[in-house]
Amino acid sequence: EAQVTQNPRYLITVTGKKLTVTCSQNMNHEYMSWYRQDPGLGLRQIYYSMNVEVTDKGDVPEGYKVSRKEKRNFPLILESPSPNQTSLYFCASSLTSDYGYTFGSGTRLTVV
Amino acid sequence: QQQVKQSPQSLIVQKGGISIINCAYENTAFDYFPWYQQFPGKGPALLIAIRPDVSEKKEGRFTISFNKSAKQFSLHIMDSQPGDSATYFCAASSRGAAGNKLTFGGGTRVLVKP
Repeated sequence: EAQVTQNPRYLITVTGKKLTVTCSQNMNHEYMSWYRQDPGLGLRQIYYSMNVEVTDKGDVPEGYKVSRKEKRNFPLILESPSPNQTSLYFCASSLTSDYGYTFGSGTRLTVV
Repeated sequence: QQQVKQSPQSLIVQKGGISIINCAYENTAFDYFPWYQQFPGKGPALLIAIRPDVSEKKEGRFTISFNKSAKQFSLHIMDSQPGDSATYFCAASSRGAAGNKLTFGGGTRVLVKP
C-alpha cells in the first residue's frame, strides 16, 4: 500500500531531551515536507526537500532540523524541545512539484 | 502574518445544501492552489486543486472558483452529505529552493446535518 509512515504516533517528552520523529514513504516521491498543525493556525511548513541532500526552511523552522540522506526517509529532529513545540506534526510527500502532497497520519507531540 | 486567509472558521449546513468556503491570498508568486480535506485523527488528503490560469474547476460535487485579479478562491460543496463533515483547508504553493513551499489557510470545520 502506498503510504507515508510516521513514528511514533504519540510522544510525551521533557524539555531539552533530544528527539527524532521518523518519516518514510514507499512511493519513490522526490518531494517531502514537514508541517505542524495548531488550532486556528492551520498547517505550517517547517522544512521541505526536493531530493537527497536538498532541503530548505519553511515558514516555522526555528528549533527543528531535518536530514534527507535517503530518498524515502525524511526525519524531523528536535535538538532541545520546548513546550511551544507541543503540536501535531505531519510528514508529507509528493511525486512532483506540480502534484498534491500525500500526508502521513500524524505525530502528536507533547513537551512538558 | 497569515498569507492565506480562510473563512468561515466553521460552517453548519443541512444535507443537500451548498457549503462555501472562501480564501484570499496576498503573494502573487503563488501558482498552485490545492484544497485538502481532513477527518479527525487523519492526515489531510488532497481534494481538488487549481492553477491561476483557470477560473473554475469541477470534480464531482466539489468546485473551485478562482478570481486572479481579486486574489481570491473558493470551494463549493454541492449537495452536501453527512460524510462531507470534516475540516477543509485551502492552500497556496510557490516555488522555493527545495521544491514547493505550501502555505495553508486556518481551516474550516464543516458539519453537515442529516
